Amino acid sequence: DAGITQSPRHKVTETGTPVTLRCHQTENHRYMYWYRQDPGHGLRLIHYSYGVKDTDKGEVSDGYSVSRSKTEDFLLTLESATSSQTSVYFCAIGLAELSGEQYFGPGTRLTVT
Amino acid sequence: DQQVKQNSPSLSVQEGRISILNCDYTNSMFDYFLWYKKYPAEGPTFLISISSIKDKNEDGRFTVFLNKSAKHLSLHIVPSQPGDSAVYFCAASSSNTGKLIFGQGTTLQVKP
Repeated sequence: DAGITQSPRHKVTETGTPVTLRCHQTENHRYMYWYRQDPGHGLRLIHYSYGVKDTDKGEVSDGYSVSRSKTEDFLLTLESATSSQTSVYFCAIGLAELSGEQYFGPGTRLTVT
Repeated sequence: DQQVKQNSPSLSVQEGRISILNCDYTNSMFDYFLWYKKYPAEGPTFLISISSIKDKNEDGRFTVFLNKSAKHLSLHIVPSQPGDSAVYFCAASSSNTGKLIFGQGTTLQVKP
């Protein structure tokens, strides 16, 4: 089974502060993704990576940046958190490039006050 | 513009009956469709998928039907069990992008 951990699992932060969420995979999957889940919107792609130092934007990338310096780690940074970024964030790894099947981590609940 | 839509936010069925969850899409370039199930405080888990060259795929109690002309797919769960109570997300991908586009989700409640 693919293994993904996300840290922290819960975080409360204040508006204007920087926040970094970490996703760690135990295998060597090339593709990694960051999503946010909000009521009424399902899961929306923020950024994704197709290799070390290779990243691209998703549909809701404004206010977020990512980095991938190692295959196993994919970091999501909110440079200056806003209340609209209060959400549940999920990391995923790509299991099958053809079908798009992805395996998701347990999520991080972020609250920006 | 939402490319994948699940128009029913919730569905309630009796244990043992059939659950039918629906999904519509607009982009004819999608060539794979997937269903994910999500329990509270957990990440989504993959349930079943279908390629656009097929019209049906079955895995145990779960069957997905694809109607390409109507740009519609459905997930059938027979028989429904209380443990199936969860949020179900429909997703679509095109093989040249590798990205998934998700619907808004449908909350299924299966009553004992």
